[in-house]
Amino acid sequence: AQSVTQLDSHVSVSEGTPVLLRCNYSSSYSPSLFWYVQHPNKGLQLLLKYTSAATLVKGINGFEAEFKKSETSFHLTKPSAHMSDAAEYFCVVSVEGSTLGRLYFGRGTQLTVWP
Amino acid sequence: GAVVSQHPSWVICKSGTSVKIECRSLDFQATTMFWYRQFPKQSLMLMATSNEGSKATYEQGVEKDKFLINHASLTLSTLTVTSAHPEDSSFYICSAIQGYGYTFGSGTRLTVV
Repeated sequence: AQSVTQLDSHVSVSEGTPVLLRCNYSSSYSPSLFWYVQHPNKGLQLLLKYTSAATLVKGINGFEAEFKKSETSFHLTKPSAHMSDAAEYFCVVSVEGSTLGRLYFGRGTQLTVWP
Repeated sequence: GAVVSQHPSWVICKSGTSVKIECRSLDFQATTMFWYRQFPKQSLMLMATSNEGSKATYEQGVEKDKFLINHASLTLSTLTVTSAHPEDSSFYICSAIQGYGYTFGSGTRLTVV
């Protein structure tokens, strides 16, 4: 069975401080993992994805995530938060591994960035 | 990049009426379209998968007669919520496979009063 758990529904940080959004997954297969961001009234935008290559994945806007199989985690980080990072973030697992198929979403983490 | 245009972005309708949500792929052909629903404070849940020219595949627990999906062309898929009730109020979002990734629509906030 596949599932995704985002450990925090809300995260608040000050501008310029590090961001950590936590995600744990379970999958019967070698997973493909994604982080998406959704700004208000916008579609989901892909930040980064892991598909069994390098375990440290770099994405857009300075975000990166590390795939840790032993911990079944795929936490999203950014060294320095910017006001424009305020949005909803979704951790997602694909059930068919590296091939494209249905997606399982976490509940989302709302990131607030204070000036 | 690839864009999926989803309309309307929000809609309020009366109980018992039907609402149609459209997703159009711009500049690419969407052979497969996924439809998701998100209730407040919950994950996006896959409702159904539609393939151009064939019947949609619905997830367990999703009523196919209530949520009508049409994928008549390679650039347009529609979801019609028939005889809507307040419990159908939710956020609906479509997604198409494009190349080696997924492209999402901007979502539709449906409120049934």
